[in-house]
Amino acid sequence: DTGVSQNPRHKITKRGQNVTFRCDPISEHNRLYWYRQTLGQGPEFLTYFQNEAQLEKSRLLSDRFSAERPKGSFSTLEIQRTEQGDSAMYLCASSLGLSGPAEKLFFGSGTQLSVL
Amino acid sequence: GQQLNQSPQSMFIQEGEDVSMNCTSSSIFNTWLWYKQDPGEGPVLLIALYKAGELTSNGRLTAQFGITRKDSFLNISASIPSDVGIYFCAGASGNTPLVFGKGTRLSVIA
Repeated sequence: DTGVSQNPRHKITKRGQNVTFRCDPISEHNRLYWYRQTLGQGPEFLTYFQNEAQLEKSRLLSDRFSAERPKGSFSTLEIQRTEQGDSAMYLCASSLGLSGPAEKLFFGSGTQLSVL
Repeated sequence: GQQLNQSPQSMFIQEGEDVSMNCTSSSIFNTWLWYKQDPGEGPVLLIALYKAGELTSNGRLTAQFGITRKDSFLNISASIPSDVGIYFCAGASGNTPLVFGKGTRLSVIA
């Protein structure tokens, strides 16, 4: 399977714990995005990388959130001191990176986070 | 910030019927994309539009980039049960990341 891969698929944690998600993009894609989706809503942009450089961060990305893409391949999204409001589906997407950040995005299956 | 309004929010149709849904923006976009999402999965790209007035088909799906550049439409012809899901429009202008609508939930009655 050469699509976008996300792990874990599901994560249940207690409030206050830290969690980390991983995303492996499509191999030839230079750009990687993180979105968050809550029930009944569309995906909301969090941040994106061009290779290893983090180019933009949304105001939704509080200081408890940090994303990295150290070698320009896979990426991790860490949430520190989780809150119940962090419960959501965290989606990763990748794109070729040949034009602006509004080019075709290909999504993974997401990580469903539940904070108890 | 940019806002996308999708309508209808949900629709119930009989198998075989045609479906129309649309998306409007508060600002001008130069890219419109349409996605379908099944429960527990990520959105899957259906159609991409890059030019005002553009009409693009993908099998039974047809999407149009509105002339005003503030709207887009998706039509599904002869619906089948596997068309069930949530359809999202997404748009962007300049160098901004894609903004998504809240989706249209489609249910097909056999």
